[in-house]
Amino acid sequence: AQSVTQPDIHITVSEGASLELRCNYSYGATPYLFWYVQSPGQGLQLLLKYFSGDTLVQGIKGFEAEFKRSQSSFNLRKPSVHWSDAAEYFCAASSGSARQLTFGSGTQLTVLP
Amino acid sequence: NAGVMQNPRHLVRRRGQEARLRCSPMKGHSHVYWYRQLPEEGLKFMVYLQKENIIDESGMPKERFSAEFPKEGPSILRIQQVVRGDSAAYFCASSVDRLNTEAFFGQGTRLTVV
Repeated sequence: AQSVTQPDIHITVSEGASLELRCNYSYGATPYLFWYVQSPGQGLQLLLKYFSGDTLVQGIKGFEAEFKRSQSSFNLRKPSVHWSDAAEYFCAASSGSARQLTFGSGTQLTVLP
Repeated sequence: NAGVMQNPRHLVRRRGQEARLRCSPMKGHSHVYWYRQLPEEGLKFMVYLQKENIIDESGMPKERFSAEFPKEGPSILRIQQVVRGDSAAYFCASSVDRLNTEAFFGQGTRLTVV
């Protein structure tokens, strides 16, 4: 079955520190890959997406993600975290035939001052 | 250009009542997806619709839940005879193409069943 796994339920970092959120997928073929951010009581905002090509993808708000086929991973990174980055982050995947997104269970990010 | 609009934002229903959740996709988008988010969980796909057609309802509970996307007007997710376990956030997303290369999400409807 197709699945997306986010191993870290909760991550705490200090403001200005670097950040990496992990995401692994299990699909028959390489799916489309996405990272979304959800602030409390809000909908989801797309940070970045990967379809093909360059394995390092740049997104909004200074985020980037790297696709590694050998590890079935699509980890999200940011060099220097800001207090406003505190939110829940979801990794998602879709295959062309299935169309719908399959989400990981999310990683809650806390940023310490 | 308004984003995906969902209403109401919050909905309280007593057990046994009906809940109707509305979703107006972004202008020019004819593909709508509904997802449910239970507390402390990620979003789970429910149904995918195009105008007047249900394309994939593999994530919908077999009973009490239905969805439509009429030619005119918003998409509606209907839950009949709600139970406590239906309490969740329901999100709608829309996209311009069937490959769902970029889906835009609404702010969700938070349903509480009391």
